[in-house]
Amino acid sequence: QSVLTQPPSASGAPGQKVTISCSGSSSNIGSNIVNWYQQLPGTAPKLLIFNNSQRPSGVPDRFSGSKSGTSASLAISGLQSEDEADYYCSAWDDSLNGLWVFGGGTKLTVL
Amino acid sequence: QIHLVQSGPEVKKPGSSVKVSCKASGYTFTYSYLHWVRQAPGHAPEWMGWITPFSGRAIYAQNFQGRVTFTSDRSLSTGYMELRSLRSEDTAVYYCAKFSVDNSAFDVWGQGTMVTVSA
Repeated sequence: QSVLTQPPSASGAPGQKVTISCSGSSSNIGSNIVNWYQQLPGTAPKLLIFNNSQRPSGVPDRFSGSKSGTSASLAISGLQSEDEADYYCSAWDDSLNGLWVFGGGTKLTVL
Repeated sequence: QIHLVQSGPEVKKPGSSVKVSCKASGYTFTYSYLHWVRQAPGHAPEWMGWITPFSGRAIYAQNFQGRVTFTSDRSLSTGYMELRSLRSEDTAVYYCAKFSVDNSAFDVWGQGTMVTVSA
């Protein structure tokens, strides 16, 4: 059971927009920034969004992130076949001695 | 360009130990934070902790305290993760990841090392 809750799957047709949610609590998303990682099959995770809504250089502006209260979301517009991957949200959690926590992941299928 | 290159796959017996290496290039390894994250097959990533090569100080996630040790060799720009008393549930891909203080995120990841624990 992951500390951050994501839907296990999402899908959309090429060109459409998809939104993936990430729900947490006051000890993580509610008080800290959220990052998003993309994991293509058989590869390491790749930083997609940091500090809730910022994109590293090289990440297309089709990808956007937002945060409100104890929830965050990742939006992908203009879906492309190469976007098919697992997406994970992550945040620092202030509980215990502090730790980085991840969502359970959302598998995105491009129809 | 920044790279993290990890050691190859390992197969271990229950109760034994494994040591995974992570060689950094393209940035100042000494003044950085190197994190370790593992991912069991079909599961989400799980954070294990980090080490600061400058001081050798390591912070471990509570789930792994007492069973894991992070070390580093600044002369080789290499970090190491040793996990002891292995059990089948430790079967996973182990990643090292560079932490960006400016972005507060894991901005570069190693390719991963598959560790299989099996009798």
